[in-house]
Amino acid sequence: QKEVEQNSGPLSVPEGAIASLNCTYSDRVSQSFFWYRQYSGKSPELIMSIYSNGDKEDGRFTAQLNKASQYVSLLIRDSQPSDSATYLCTGGGSGGGADGLTFGKGTHLIIQP
Amino acid sequence: EPEVTQTPSHQVTQMGQEVILRCVPISNHLYFYWYRQILGQKVEFLVSFYNNEISEKSEIFDDQFSVERPDGSNFTLKIRSTKLEDSAMYFCASKTDLVSYEQYFGPGTRLTVT
Repeated sequence: QKEVEQNSGPLSVPEGAIASLNCTYSDRVSQSFFWYRQYSGKSPELIMSIYSNGDKEDGRFTAQLNKASQYVSLLIRDSQPSDSATYLCTGGGSGGGADGLTFGKGTHLIIQP
Repeated sequence: EPEVTQTPSHQVTQMGQEVILRCVPISNHLYFYWYRQILGQKVEFLVSFYNNEISEKSEIFDDQFSVERPDGSNFTLKIRSTKLEDSAMYFCASKTDLVSYEQYFGPGTRLTVT
């Protein structure tokens, strides 16, 4: 059974600094990894997807994947108070199709103004 | 931008009653999912649906749950006899095709069983 592990936090970061979020996963089958942002009482919002080893950048967000170490991370540069949320790491897609996503518990990020 | 929609936003029901949660996936999407999130806990996969049949289901998705695509736009989750522990947020998600892995979530239905 797939497991995704995240530090639940809270992780407190000053405004303008870099927030670093980490995630490890248990299986070597998953081929796709995602970071979702979830504000309190709201649904998960997809912010980054990564499929290959290395870095992927999108605006202030950079996702990093190391399949050999079974490790995924998310960097948020120039952190803003609006980035305060719970960040969910998830993996799925061992072969495409209709695979359900396996979520971690999420890291609660607080950006201090 | 197209979105997944869900109704109702909040449903209150008594234990033992049947509830139907409704979702309208993004129009050109082919794969549909239900997830739930009990308050304070992680998002859990329930079931996936493709080509009018269940593709995958989790251990949570037992005989009291069923899914249906009654027409070309709606996707429903039925809970036959609700229990207190069914109280949770239920999220519908969809993705476009076999190759894509990215799932997009609806706003959720908060189900409260009393």
